[in-house]
Amino acid sequence: GAGVSQSPSNKVTEKGKDVELRCDPISGHTALYWYRQSLGQGLEFLIYFQGNSAPDKSGLPSDRFSAERTGGSVSTLTIQRTQQEDSAVYLCASSHIAGGRETQYFGPGTRLLVL
Amino acid sequence: SQKIEQNSEALNIQEGKTATLTCNYTNYSPAYLQWYRQDPGRGPVFLLLIRENEKEKRKERLKVTFDTTLKQSLFHITASQPADSATYLCALLSNFGNEKLTFGTGTRLTIIP
Repeated sequence: GAGVSQSPSNKVTEKGKDVELRCDPISGHTALYWYRQSLGQGLEFLIYFQGNSAPDKSGLPSDRFSAERTGGSVSTLTIQRTQQEDSAVYLCASSHIAGGRETQYFGPGTRLLVL
Repeated sequence: SQKIEQNSEALNIQEGKTATLTCNYTNYSPAYLQWYRQDPGRGPVFLLLIRENEKEKRKERLKVTFDTTLKQSLFHITASQPADSATYLCALLSNFGNEKLTFGTGTRLTIIP
C-alpha cells in the first residue's frame, strides 16, 4: 500500500518504561508530523519535520518526548519514562509540502496504554 | 488566546437531510481551512481545503463555506447517508508564523436511518 503506516498498532507498557513508535510516511513526502489524540480530544501537535530543516519541536509536552527522522523518511517518536497521562493515540501524517497548504495523509495511529 | 471551536460535540441527523457542522475560530488569521473525516480507530482523512479568498468549495455531496468576517466555516453534507456517520474535524493554517495545522476537537455526526 502507498499510505502512511505506523507500528505498533497497539502498545501496552508499564509506567516508567521507554517506548518507541514508528512512522513510515508516503514515499517522496518531505513533511512529516506527529500528533497526539486523547480520548474525546482533538489532535494535539507534537513535532514537525520538513526536509533537511531542523524539526519544529514546539509541541512536545516534556523533555521525555523526542523524535528522529532518518534519511528524510522513517520517523521514530520516543517517550522515555512513560507516565499514565501519556496514554493516547499517536498519529503520524505526511504531506508533499509543508503545513496546511496541502493534504496531510494520516496513518492509522498507535494506541498507547501506560499502566 | 487562539481558539478553534466546533460547537457541537455530537449531532444526529435523519437520513436524507442536510447535515451542517460549524467551525468557529478566534484570534486566528487563517490562510487555509481544511476539513477531515475520522472514523473510529482510524486516522483522519482529508475531505476539502478552502482558502481565505474563497467563499465556497464543493465536492460531490459536500460543501464548505468560509466567512472570514464571521470567523466561521460551515461544512454541509447533503442527502446524508448512514455511511456519513463519523467525526469531522476542522483545521486551520494561520497566515502568521509556523506551518502547522491546528485542529478543532471535532463533531461526531450520526446519520439515523
